[in-house]
Parts: sequence; C-alpha cells; structure tokens
Amino acid sequence: ETGVTQSPTHLIKTRGQQVTLRCSSQSGHNTVSWYQQALGQGPQFIFQYYREEENGRGNFPPRFSGLQFPNYSSELNVNALELDDSALYLCASSRIGDEQYFGPGTRLTVT
Amino acid sequence: DQQVKQNSPSLSVQEGRISILNCDYTNSMFDYFLWYKKYPAEGPTFLISISSIKDKNEDGRFTVFLNKSAKHLSLHIVPSQPGDSAVYFCAASENGGGATNKLIFGTGTLLAVQP
Repeated sequence: ETGVTQSPTHLIKTRGQQVTLRCSSQSGHNTVSWYQQALGQGPQFIFQYYREEENGRGNFPPRFSGLQFPNYSSELNVNALELDDSALYLCASSRIGDEQYFGPGTRLTVT
Repeated sequence: DQQVKQNSPSLSVQEGRISILNCDYTNSMFDYFLWYKKYPAEGPTFLISISSIKDKNEDGRFTVFLNKSAKHLSLHIVPSQPGDSAVYFCAASENGGGATNKLIFGTGTLLAVQP
C-alpha cells in the first residue's frame, strides 16, 4: 500500500510569484487536507477536500486555493507569494471517520 | 489565539523510564484528541487518540489521559525507548469531526530518550 506522497520536496520562489504543490493520497482515501507548518509551530489547517468539493477551510486568504481530482490526488495553489508563506506544506489523506495520514511535506522558501 | 498549547518545548528522559508529555486546550467544543509523532524529514504519524467521552485510552506502551474539567491531556510512554525520540504534537477537533476533519495542533514537544 503506497502512502501519501508530495511533490516537489523543496522549492524556492520569489515574492509575488505563484506556486502549485501536489499530493497523491493513500490508496482508498477520499479526503485530503492541507496544512501549513511554519518554523517552530504546529501544523495549521488550510482546507480540506472530500470527493472533489471543499469541505472546510481554515483562516487563510483566498490566494490559497486547492483542487481535488477524481483519483483523489490534490493540488494546493498559492498566488502572490509573500515572505511569510515560507513554510513546510503538509498534505494528509484519510477515509471519512479515520485518522489522517500525512505525507513528508514540501518545503517552500519565498525570497 | 493558541487553542492547543504544549508548554514544554523539550523533554529529556532516560531509556526505560516514563515519558509524560502534556497538552492544554481552551476550546470547550473540542471533543476528539490525538497525538502525532514526527521525525525529521517525515510527516507526522498518528500515535493514539481519545474521544471526550473517555478519560483514558491505552495502546501498548502509549496511554493518553484526558481531564475535561481541567482541559488537559497527557501522553504517557512506558518504558521509553531511544526510538521514541521525536517531536510529539497534540491535536484536537470539534463538532464530531473525529480524526478526519480540521485538526488544531499544538506547537510540539521534542522528546529525547537517552540510552
């Protein structure tokens, strides 16, 4: 059984640019959540998708957007990058009612 | 506003002894609590959970205790092993979301188990 995978592992962007992060859910999982983990902090909930629909959103501005595809993989898009967007971005998948399984994360650096 | 707090950034314990990690919360609507463990360069791994209708849940060497009146939970690891050295996050969800929905995380406690 393949776990949650994320790509890329690391990337560096310039302020004002746009970025797309990708996540492949664990087999059989239909829910995907995205979290942002800043240095020294715990993960913060960005949003969740269930069966391709947004199913909850945290306190993040609209320039953070997402998609879930029919195969339950997902993308996180961030527009107009700011320095404070530098963080580890974690994707987690689950079946409804079960615990979330996290990927290794994408480390985003905005300069 | 930090709804889930882990006030000890780090903890050092001798191998074989008990590790106790603490977590406090402020939101009385939280009804499900989880502990995750995180090694460097890996995502958090689910460890153990507890529903607010219980006050204790045990899984092998890991036991979680919940004190709802004090809005406090703790994770006990007994006996501690060097492989337990990691960052431990406490997390909570509300409104029947269980383990699946929006999780609110604490800032983590770095546990170091000395051989």
